[in-house]
Amino acid sequence: QVQLVESGGGVVQPGRSLRLSCVASGFTFTSYGIHWVRQAPGKGLEWVAKIYYDDSKTYNGDSVKGRFSISRDNSKNTVYLQMNNLRDEDTAVYYCARGDGQHTLDYWGQGTLVTISS
Amino acid sequence: QSVLTQPPSVSAAPGQKVTISCSGSDSNIGNNFVSWFQQLPGTAPKLLIFVDDRRPSGIPDRFSGSKSGTSATLDITGLQTGDEADYYCATWDRSLSAGVFGGGTKLTVL
Repeated sequence: QVQLVESGGGVVQPGRSLRLSCVASGFTFTSYGIHWVRQAPGKGLEWVAKIYYDDSKTYNGDSVKGRFSISRDNSKNTVYLQMNNLRDEDTAVYYCARGDGQHTLDYWGQGTLVTISS
Repeated sequence: QSVLTQPPSVSAAPGQKVTISCSGSDSNIGNNFVSWFQQLPGTAPKLLIFVDDRRPSGIPDRFSGSKSGTSATLDITGLQTGDEADYYCATWDRSLSAGVFGGGTKLTVL
């Protein structure tokens, strides 16, 4: 069965960096794009980033442009979210999700909590 | 402010029908497929509707989606207490080159 498992969350000080991982299994990893979506405490969903199935393109949301970058290692069935210069407002649960060509996010991980605090 | 506009909350009695709207623009809903997600408290979002009006396997036909122009709609019939959740619409915005979500709608089954 399709599974996505996020890891790497934790408590980090403002201005520091963190790298999240999303390990996929149960499907042909190289056939799908992967998205990161976050949810601040008590708030709605916010799209963060996307990487194409073949690593040819990446996109980032305005609120993280220049600070976050998405990458993938197809040999490890893993997508990463490198988060630099973290701010208080980056505190959220971060989900990775499988995406197809129609921007359908059909399978989601359980999420990993990132807390920015001094 | 979300790019896609949803009502903050809707409510109806068990067995009734509820409609959740999602309003956007030509750069998003008007030219891209819409998905709908259900999020129960403390859990990850779950795909309910994709490519405007299709249901993934396992989603009951009480849930249906439609789209007209720059607006999309999620209908839920035969409401059950287990349907109480937050519902989100989503699509791609070609002007922003970014994914976009609605602000979410909290469904209360009275």
